[in-house]
Amino acid sequence: RKEVEQDPGPFNVPEGATVAFNCTYSNSASQSFFWYRQDCRKEPKLLMSVYSSGNEDGRFTAQLNRASQYISLLIRDSKLSDSATYLCAVNRDDKIIFGKGTRLHILP
Amino acid sequence: GAVVSQHPSRVICKSGTSVKIECRSLDFQATTMFWYRQFPKKSLMLMATSNEGSKATYEQGVEKDKFLINHASLTLSTLTVTSAHPEDSSFYICSASGTDRYGYTFGSGTRLTVV
Repeated sequence: RKEVEQDPGPFNVPEGATVAFNCTYSNSASQSFFWYRQDCRKEPKLLMSVYSSGNEDGRFTAQLNRASQYISLLIRDSKLSDSATYLCAVNRDDKIIFGKGTRLHILP
Repeated sequence: GAVVSQHPSRVICKSGTSVKIECRSLDFQATTMFWYRQFPKKSLMLMATSNEGSKATYEQGVEKDKFLINHASLTLSTLTVTSAHPEDSSFYICSASGTDRYGYTFGSGTRLTVV
């Protein structure tokens, strides 16, 4: 079992729709959690950290459920510019471990 | 904010040669740096953790003699792909961690093509 697992995707979503990404992690010792965005042939960029209380940044909302070892990301009112690959990541022993990523295509 | 510079951004080399990739933290001291590899449409795979002044720690399945890592200062780590083969062609990305454990910053990556 992979340490970080995500929806396989790709997601093809019309502009303006809400998109939900899910992620599970297997190591209960994981200490912190993140969502990254990666554009084609570029490095990943931190989108947001994820906290147990849930956190929101504009159209983006992230949730963490430690008991279920589950992380989610919600994008509301999706824009064409949101098209990218979204990577779930966990910090385990001060190393960032990534999921495979979910490709998102926003359709005009 | 923290900036990590990675060089070169793209390199093409002949099979059997060695290639060095540099990763520099420009405005902070990086006690730890990480090297990842990403094949097309695949996940970022952690290869090794580079610690300043000590030996790198390699992930399972990564050949330490093939992927030489040196972290001689708090601002520079290098990855050398030795005796490169076409199957080593990949996107290599470094990441640096400073004093803030949450502040992981990525370099812009190096696309290696071995012909």
